[in-house]
Amino acid sequence: QKEVEQNSGPLSVPEGAIASLNCTYSDRGSQSFFWYRQYSGKSPELIMFIYSNGDKEDGRFTAQLNKASQYVSLLIRDSQPSDSATYLCAVNSAGGTSYGKLTFGQGTILTVHP
Amino acid sequence: DGGITQSPKYLFRKEGQNVTLSCEQNLNHDAMYWYRQDPGQGLRLIYYSQIVNDFQKGDIAEGYSVSREKKESFPLTVTSAQKNPTAFYLCASSIILGDTEAFFGQGTRLTVV
Repeated sequence: QKEVEQNSGPLSVPEGAIASLNCTYSDRGSQSFFWYRQYSGKSPELIMFIYSNGDKEDGRFTAQLNKASQYVSLLIRDSQPSDSATYLCAVNSAGGTSYGKLTFGQGTILTVHP
Repeated sequence: DGGITQSPKYLFRKEGQNVTLSCEQNLNHDAMYWYRQDPGQGLRLIYYSQIVNDFQKGDIAEGYSVSREKKESFPLTVTSAQKNPTAFYLCASSIILGDTEAFFGQGTRLTVV
């Protein structure tokens, strides 16, 4: 089982719709969860981080965390063509020899079409 | 301006040669990371470092080596033992290991010719 798994997509949504991106992780003790956006040929940039169960909203973005199900998601409301990118989920390992190891999923390609 | 600088942006290497990728940060961050990204794939962790003179292997460390002699610098050497080194290499840093946002450099695209 991969440590962090995402559906690679591509996910295609129309402009103005809600895009839903999902991520599962295997380390039950993980405490920190991040969503990055990466445009083609560029380096990743942070969109959201979440530490506690529940929802966290920032503008058009909402991160959702369910530690019991080992599941984290990102919702993008009112999707715009400029949101078209690869979205990477990252999870921090909780303990032992892997403490602090920041592991990324394979990324989900999102396309927002006009 | 604070940030992470990777150099060079593009690098070509002949088979059998070692090559070193530079990563420098002036953010006063303790933690630094090296990732490899292949086309259409996510980031895979090569090495990470919590503090000066300390580093740990990530998931794909074979064929790579690092050093952390200074807080600001975390160079990555791709050795001839790395069988498929052509990839996009990303360096990142964070205030402390794992719990805070990781900031990325612009990356180095390495091609073996």
